[in-house]
Amino acid sequence: DQQVKQNSPSLSVQEGRISILNCDYTNSMFDYFLWYKKYPAEGPTFLISISSIKDKNEDGRFTVFLNKSAKHLSLHIVPSQPGDSAVYFCAALSSGSARQLTFGSGTQLTVLP
Amino acid sequence: NAGVTQTPKFQVLKTGQSMTLQCAQDMNHEYMSWYRQDPGMGLRLIHYSVGAGITDQGEVPNGYNVSRSTTEDFPLRLLSAAPSQTSVYFCASRKDPTNYGYTFGSGTRLTVV
Repeated sequence: DQQVKQNSPSLSVQEGRISILNCDYTNSMFDYFLWYKKYPAEGPTFLISISSIKDKNEDGRFTVFLNKSAKHLSLHIVPSQPGDSAVYFCAALSSGSARQLTFGSGTQLTVLP
Repeated sequence: NAGVTQTPKFQVLKTGQSMTLQCAQDMNHEYMSWYRQDPGMGLRLIHYSVGAGITDQGEVPNGYNVSRSTTEDFPLRLLSAAPSQTSVYFCASRKDPTNYGYTFGSGTRLTVV
């Protein structure tokens, strides 16, 4: 059973508009969340993260929101640019010594010019 | 600074053959991990290491072996390849338990026929 779920396999957005990518999790032991971006034939690259003690983290055009009661997080990209077209993975870390990432299945974002 | 280097980039194996996927990092990172990426399933953890001489199993370890004799290298061995091991394999590293932004290699695309 997937502990981190990205229910939208794909999302298309017009350039300049907001992109909202969603992620849900089931494990209450997750206390740190990350978003990775992946281009074809490349490895994932770290984008932004948030600790469970916060509900929002911003980095330029990227903002991650965390709703712990709903076990839901989202990544907002404003404004969206064609270069943002990629697969976005949500990932979570559980408390404990191992601290290994659990990934969602990814969302393909396409930003249309 | 090369980051995380994976070799080979592509490989075709016959069922039953064995091979080693190489991973090396030059960032003096203690933590290293191997993931496989399959369509619709995101990245799943195979094995990980928290330092030289220390390895542990992840979510999908069966059919794979690892060792960590040096800080820099973390090879992944397929003992007897099966078609179910057809996947894209990513190696990743991070500095320590408090630095969660993994650096990923560019991947090895493995096909088992």
